[in-house]
Amino acid sequence: ILNVEQSPQSLHVQEGDSTNFTCSFPSSNFYALHWYRWETAKSPEALFVMTLNGDEKKKGRISATLNTKEGYSYLYIKGSQPEDSATYLCAFSNDYKLSFGAGTTVTVRA
Amino acid sequence: GAGVSQTPSNKVTEKGKYVELRCDPISGHTALYWYRQSLGQGPEFLIYFQGTGAADDSGLPNDRFFAVRPEGSVSTLKIQRTERGDSAVYLCASSQGQGVIYEQYFGPGTRLTVT
Repeated sequence: ILNVEQSPQSLHVQEGDSTNFTCSFPSSNFYALHWYRWETAKSPEALFVMTLNGDEKKKGRISATLNTKEGYSYLYIKGSQPEDSATYLCAFSNDYKLSFGAGTTVTVRA
Repeated sequence: GAGVSQTPSNKVTEKGKYVELRCDPISGHTALYWYRQSLGQGPEFLIYFQGTGAADDSGLPNDRFFAVRPEGSVSTLKIQRTERGDSAVYLCASSQGQGVIYEQYFGPGTRLTVT
C-alpha cells in the first residue's frame, strides 16, 4: 500500500484570496503524480499529471509543482472563486494503478 | 463526446443482498478501472481490465467481489452477500491504454449504502 498524504483535510478561503495545499508521496519508484478536482455529484476531473522533478503545471488560476526527490507536490489556487469549491485529490501512479490521498476539501466563501 | 457513465447513481440495499454496479466507459477505451471510496478516505484501487481480461484484481477485498467485462466495453462490478462495510462510492474510470501517459477519465460514481 502506497502512503499518499494530503494536508490540510479541509480549508475555507475568502473569495479573491489565494491558497495552497500539499500532497506527500513515496519518493522511491516514482512514475507520476496526478491532481484531480472532484465537485459534489460530478465526476473527478483531471487537472494535471506530472512526471518530472521540478515540473510546474498551470491551468488558468490553478498551478502545481512537483518535488520527486523529497516526495511532495503543492497545488496553488490564485484568486479563489466560488466555483473552485471542490475536493482536490492527488494520486501517485505506479504505471496504471492510482493510489489516492484522502483529499483536501476547499470551500470558497463569497 | 460522452464521458464515462455509471448506473445506478445511488443504490440502497439490505445486508446480505446481491448488487450489480454498471460502468459504460468512453467508446474505444481499452483500459477500465474500478475504485472504491469509503468515507473519509481517498479512492482505493479494486481492479483493472485491459480489454476483456482482468489484468490486475489485487485490490478486490475478498471473494464476495467480482467484476466482468465480457465484450471489452461495459463492465459490471458484482458484490455478493453485501455487508455494511461495503457502503462506499464506487468509481469507474477508463483510459485509451495502459501507462501514465494515458489519462484516466472517471464516471460520477455509484453510491452504495448497505443497511
